[in-house]
Amino acid sequence: GDSVTQMEGPVTLSEEAFLTINCTYTATGYPSLFWYVQYPGEGLQLLLKATKADDKGSNKGFEATYRKETTSFHLEKGSVQVSDSAVYFCALSLKTSYDKVIFGPGTSLSVIP
Amino acid sequence: DAGITQSPRHKVTETGTPVTLRCHQTENHRYMYWYRQDPGHGLRLIHYSYGVKDTDKGEVSDGYSVSRSKTEDFLLTLESATSSQTSVYFCAISTEINQPQHFGDGTRLSIL
Repeated sequence: GDSVTQMEGPVTLSEEAFLTINCTYTATGYPSLFWYVQYPGEGLQLLLKATKADDKGSNKGFEATYRKETTSFHLEKGSVQVSDSAVYFCALSLKTSYDKVIFGPGTSLSVIP
Repeated sequence: DAGITQSPRHKVTETGTPVTLRCHQTENHRYMYWYRQDPGHGLRLIHYSYGVKDTDKGEVSDGYSVSRSKTEDFLLTLESATSSQTSVYFCAISTEINQPQHFGDGTRLSIL
């Protein structure tokens, strides 16, 4: 079946370190891919998206590239800040079904000064 | 931010009582969703709606019902709450199936 797999957390980094959170997916057809971020006590917010192969989504210094050949959508940031501490969710959406928005389990990131 | 309001934000109730959570949007989006978020399970879809009076079940619909009588409101009802339904509940909206979802700030529900 369709699924999203993310790297296990929690991830702890020092400020200004490089961040990679791995995400791979299994899907029939050609999904849209998303990264959402959840800050403590809040709902999820869209961070970035990509709708077709080789698209690169970017926002607030975060980037992710839709890799069809490796079915991956890894999230990267060159220099993390304490304010980036949050839970990050990879997700896919299939165009053909109302309920086919599948979220990964989330990866918790803590950035320490 | 998308105009989504969930109410109440916190609720504590007893096993066996009925509970209704409300999601109100001001964006006129067609699609609305109810999720629950639990440690170790991530987000799981309970029910969703694709229009007024058009709803369907998600992954974990047992014990829950929904109603959507107006575009802006999507209600989630626990007919007889159980302790296993203690969770954080999120409402989300979207314009189309494959477009990003916008989330409310959640309702923390505790069933004792």
